Amino acid sequence: DIQMTQSPSSLSASVGDRVTFTCRASQSIGTFVNWYQQRPGKAPKVLIYAASSLQTGVPSRFSGSGSGTDFTLTISSLQPDDFAIYYCQQSYNTPYTFGQGTQVEIK
Amino acid sequence: QVQLVQSETEVRKPGTSVKVSCKASGGTFSSDSITWVRQAPGQGLEWMGGIIPIFATASYAQQFQGRVTITADEFTTTAYLEVSSLRSEDTAVYYCARNIRVGAAEDYFDYWGQGTLVTVSS
Repeated sequence: DIQMTQSPSSLSASVGDRVTFTCRASQSIGTFVNWYQQRPGKAPKVLIYAASSLQTGVPSRFSGSGSGTDFTLTISSLQPDDFAIYYCQQSYNTPYTFGQGTQVEIK
Repeated sequence: QVQLVQSETEVRKPGTSVKVSCKASGGTFSSDSITWVRQAPGQGLEWMGGIIPIFATASYAQQFQGRVTITADEFTTTAYLEVSSLRSEDTAVYYCARNIRVGAAEDYFDYWGQGTLVTVSS
């Protein structure tokens, strides 16, 4: 199975900050990476698919990059709605696997 | 607009089974892929398996093989997840999601159900 490792596991930031978190795959997976946001008590929501494509309706402050084994999700200017947990997921092969998540907290 | 509506909270005793439903509307159910993901309390997301209703053949993560059954009813546009031999570690929120595959690298979960909490307790 492909392991997805996210870092950091949590971070504290302020509204307006630029935040970046990373996801590393245990083998090369091209651009088969998706990013999800999960707010407490809610289902995950896809933000970025295929490493860098913005899902329809997702604000442009979210962006993704990377290929091979290293991927990043960036929020250019953190908003109050963005305090949540973010997961990367590989869709290169089954079993699909997720990273352990990065929790974004209010500083 | 695709909507996935799941069945309500379930409580089961260890050793029994549970069947969770996921009613789809607004998409092309037969050819869509429906996937199941679970989340234990305070934990991350775990892919369990999926099915394309028109093919009626499910695929499963290895750790769930033999204990989990995913099915779909094209007539009612409903997918099901059945977990047998329940143990306390199966206590989790179970989500269904549509697994969309558009292009060469575009394979992701774009619509999700609201989740079904299954509690396994004696």
